[in-house]
Amino acid sequence: DTAVSQTPKYLVTQMGNDKSIKCEQNLGHDTMYWYKQDSKKFLKIMFSYNNKELIINETVPNRFSPKSPDKAHLNLHINSLELGDSAVYFCASSPPRTSGRSSYEQYFGPGTRLTVT
Amino acid sequence: GQNIDQPTEMTATEGAIVQINCTYQTSGFNGLFWYQQHAGEAPTFLSYNVLDGLEEKGRFSSFLSRSKGYSYLLLKELQMKDSASYLCAVRGGTGDYKLSFGAGTTVTVRA
Repeated sequence: DTAVSQTPKYLVTQMGNDKSIKCEQNLGHDTMYWYKQDSKKFLKIMFSYNNKELIINETVPNRFSPKSPDKAHLNLHINSLELGDSAVYFCASSPPRTSGRSSYEQYFGPGTRLTVT
Repeated sequence: GQNIDQPTEMTATEGAIVQINCTYQTSGFNGLFWYQQHAGEAPTFLSYNVLDGLEEKGRFSSFLSRSKGYSYLLLKELQMKDSASYLCAVRGGTGDYKLSFGAGTTVTVRA
């Protein structure tokens, strides 16, 4: 199936641990994003990569580090996890800018529910 | 900065019409989006407006007035499956495709 996929879907871990979330898209898109959705359902951009280049880097603790090995993958590594990191993390992608109007639409992955205890 | 406001909750009856308003104050504007998000699922794209006016897509329509910083999403002939959160998002003017989301409006459709 063509889609944006994320692994794992659920992640429960203890404070202080380091964890990674992986994202892959097979839609041929060249821009990928990481969003955090907190308990109040507020969806906030964290990072964005375009063709493996970081283009959006919001005010996020430097414990969060994105890595894009190629334009189909964008992983998120989190060091020294804290209770406040508990949230749902969504990966998304969008088509190349030359796609016209449709390039503005973002396609979201199923989300990774991270619980820090 | 970006400031996007929408009501927290709305309730309507099956078969009725509901209008979800969104007002925004942003630094630059390159389009307004509406996304639907069912509980526990990913947001899915509903509509995109960049020029003033109404965009109709089946039972859903979206309106934009750039001079007023205002948009609405109109849901007609409501069905139970329309119970979801509806997110208003604005793309800023920086050219980086960054979307700023409102907090979402939870719509509950009652039989």
